[in-house]
Amino acid sequence: EAGVTQSPTHLIKTRGQQATLRCSPISGHTSVYWYQQALGLGLQFLLWYDEGEERNRGNFPPRFSGRQFPNYSSELNVNALELEDSALYLCASSLANVNSPLHFGNGTRLTVT
Amino acid sequence: AQSVSQHNHHVILSEAASLELGCNYSYGGTVNLFWYVQYPGQHLQLLLKYFSGDPLVKGIKGFEAEFIKSKFSFNLRKPSVQWSDTAEYFCAAGEITGGGNKLTFGTGTQLKVEL
Repeated sequence: EAGVTQSPTHLIKTRGQQATLRCSPISGHTSVYWYQQALGLGLQFLLWYDEGEERNRGNFPPRFSGRQFPNYSSELNVNALELEDSALYLCASSLANVNSPLHFGNGTRLTVT
Repeated sequence: AQSVSQHNHHVILSEAASLELGCNYSYGGTVNLFWYVQYPGQHLQLLLKYFSGDPLVKGIKGFEAEFIKSKFSFNLRKPSVQWSDTAEYFCAAGEITGGGNKLTFGTGTQLKVEL
């Protein structure tokens, strides 16, 4: 079984630019979650998508947005990048069942200069 | 607000020593609890989970955790650690509302096991 795949592995952008991160869930998983892992802050919940709809979002500004496609893959977009957006962005997928554990990808390392 | 606290940020142990990593959560309702592990260069992996029932749960690689409701704790334990247990460990909690598995994570504990 292929795991959660994320691309790109690394992304370097300058302040003010936009970044697009992609995630493909495990086959059969309909829920996709995005987390930000910044140094010293642990994992912060960003967004949750299920069946193409945004179900919940964390305490992040609106310039963090995303979508889920009909094949359940997902995109995270970060507009007007700021230096503090530099972090590892993790995508996770799960079955829709509330007791289904999250399976994580390797992440995209975003560096904003 | 929902929160998860891990009190030990860095732990250094010798092989065969016993391990206990603390985790406390702050939630108003029923929660699912998890421990995830991230080995160097690898993705986060589920170590064990608690949903209901026996408060002592056993996970992979000899790890176990005990849910103590009165203390809002879910501490991770292993009787005898190995060098290969060197990794970062994250405690996480998910409130069972509205479906989905939105988790709140602790800040992680970096464990180094020395030979």
